[in-house]
Amino acid sequence: AQSVDQPDAHVTLYEGASLELRCSYSYSAAPYLFWYVQYPGQSLQFLLKYITGDAVVKGTKGFEAEFRKSNSSFNLKKSPAHWSDSAKYFCALETGSNYQLIWGSGTKLIIKP
Amino acid sequence: DPKIIQKPKYLVAVTGSEKILICEQYLGHNAMYWYRQSAKKPLEFMFSYSYQKLMDNQTASSRFQPQSSKKNHLDLQITALKPDDSATYFCASSQDRGGQNTLYFGAGTRLSVL
Repeated sequence: AQSVDQPDAHVTLYEGASLELRCSYSYSAAPYLFWYVQYPGQSLQFLLKYITGDAVVKGTKGFEAEFRKSNSSFNLKKSPAHWSDSAKYFCALETGSNYQLIWGSGTKLIIKP
Repeated sequence: DPKIIQKPKYLVAVTGSEKILICEQYLGHNAMYWYRQSAKKPLEFMFSYSYQKLMDNQTASSRFQPQSSKKNHLDLQITALKPDDSATYFCASSQDRGGQNTLYFGAGTRLSVL
């Protein structure tokens, strides 16, 4: 069955550090992969997506993600991190079979000043 | 200005009652969705509509009924409310259904069932 795993429920970093949020997926064919962010008290906002092509995709707010087929991962990165990046980040997978997104449980990121 | 409007923002209901959650999008999108976010579960897909037609229903209970009176409207009627229905319900839209389309979310309706 298709699934998305975000193994880190919480990540805490100091401002200026490099951040990497982990996401792995289970799907046998070519996936569509997404990252969304949810700031406290707000709705989800699109960050970036991988459909095909270059393994590194760049998104909004200075984020990028790397698709690695070899280990079925799609990790989100940013350097340096800013306190305003504190939010919950969701990875999602779309398999194309029924156009539904399968979501990870999210990683809550706290950036300390 | 928000492009996806959800009303109300907060909703308190008693067990057994019925409520309607409103969603309108002004993005010109053809596909609309309902998602549920509760404290203990990942974001959960509920329904998808495309050109006002129900395309996918992942909600086991018939107590949840989407209603689309216009292409840019997708309301959610919930009957016989239970405390377990307490969650934030997000409406979303995309240009077309699935594939490479990016989802845009409304601000959500936080439902509390007492």
